[in-house]
Amino acid sequence: DSGVTQTPKHLITATGQRVTLRCSPRSGDLSVYWYQQSLDQGLQFLIQYYNGEERAKGNILERFSAQQFPDLHSELNLSSLELGDSALYFCASSAFPDRATSGRAEYNEQFFGPGTRLTVL
Amino acid sequence: GQQVMQIPQYQHVQEGEDFTTYCNSSTTLSNIQWYKQRPGGHPVFLIQLVKSGEVKKQKRLTFQFGEAKKNSSLHITATQTTDVGTYFCAGREYGGATNKLIFGTGTLLAVQP
Repeated sequence: DSGVTQTPKHLITATGQRVTLRCSPRSGDLSVYWYQQSLDQGLQFLIQYYNGEERAKGNILERFSAQQFPDLHSELNLSSLELGDSALYFCASSAFPDRATSGRAEYNEQFFGPGTRLTVL
Repeated sequence: GQQVMQIPQYQHVQEGEDFTTYCNSSTTLSNIQWYKQRPGGHPVFLIQLVKSGEVKKQKRLTFQFGEAKKNSSLHITATQTTDVGTYFCAGREYGGATNKLIFGTGTLLAVQP
């Protein structure tokens, strides 16, 4: 158990719909990351938040958005869903967002949650 | 943009045989991490390499970071059925200011008892 929780575990919805995935980081971790894992695309970084603010952006579609709340939990919103959005969505957390903040030569490892499997029909 | 490729994509071995996966980045990396994902599970951190030419060992696993910091390898000696899973390398671009990781394409290891 990594200490990162994600809900729901499974989500089945229809094309055109909107869903919200939720993530609670490990206790004490300030940074949250979202990843999409599909069979043909591997593990793709979507977005990173640190202490409520967006820190880095990856291959996140405009139909997708995320935020991190004052209690540090994060939500990933997926709208106008398409069949191709079916995938496993992982949230990960780390103590610090980057080297400058941590003051360490090494970056922090990321702890992954169990994931949310999204199926768009 | 930065790309991280792994080979092979899939490997099937008999229990007791050795296994190696290779990771190559299109750009110089600040450091590299390795993760293991069991079937149906989530990625779990294994190790981080930071220095050029660094070699680290964890029991039967040996991790190596290339001199140019653009490639890495993971070698498993005498595989066991518990080694089954997908092994991902994940690199952070040199000079990058964030903790953003670019994951490799992964190598799926199957071990036949």
